[in-house]
Amino acid sequence: DGGITQSPKYLFRKEGQNVTLSCEQNLNHDAMYWYRQDPGQGLRLIYYSQIVNDFQKGDIAEGYSVSREKKESFPLTVTSAQKNPTAFYLCASSGPRDPQDTQYFGPGTRLTVL
Amino acid sequence: QKEVEQNSGPLSVPEGAIASLNCTYSDRGSQSFFWYRQYSGKSPELIMSIYSNGDKEDGRFTAQLNKASQYVSLLIRDSQPSDSATYLCAVNAGFQKLVFGTGTRLLVSP
Repeated sequence: DGGITQSPKYLFRKEGQNVTLSCEQNLNHDAMYWYRQDPGQGLRLIYYSQIVNDFQKGDIAEGYSVSREKKESFPLTVTSAQKNPTAFYLCASSGPRDPQDTQYFGPGTRLTVL
Repeated sequence: QKEVEQNSGPLSVPEGAIASLNCTYSDRGSQSFFWYRQYSGKSPELIMSIYSNGDKEDGRFTAQLNKASQYVSLLIRDSQPSDSATYLCAVNAGFQKLVFGTGTRLLVSP
């Protein structure tokens, strides 16, 4: 089955810790994205990558870092510099064979700071 | 700053009725428009995409686009309780990026 997987489903972080959220896709998509969703709010773009070894900051990149060493993988690290990291994190991808700009989402990771 | 506006709701409709969800956007240059459905605690699921002015139908769903008025809507015919969810409108923002509205919560009562 083709799709996007995210792990873990739930993650708890202590103050001052860095944590890494995993996102893997087997859709052969070039572009991948990380969003953050807070209760009652829309999705806000953290980082995106249109090709391997390249990525750009989104609207709320401060306190986050990413890498794109493989086409299939786009991990997100939430650093201790992110002051309010408790949120629902969503990974998405899009590919050239899909209708223009269409993005598909993984199941999400819910991060809670203890 | 490119913006997408949606009424947060909740929009309450009885089972079998037509639900009408609306979205306005600020960027006149936008070319791609999407509706996603998001159940509580789950990730967004693509329902419809629309690129040209007019209507696009897919089963019980119809997307309507009016670029002159910068307005896109989603009609759900024969609404079912299982349609109760938050509906997110998304608009392209260049460079394969999307801007999302905050969503409209739909409640369909039996």
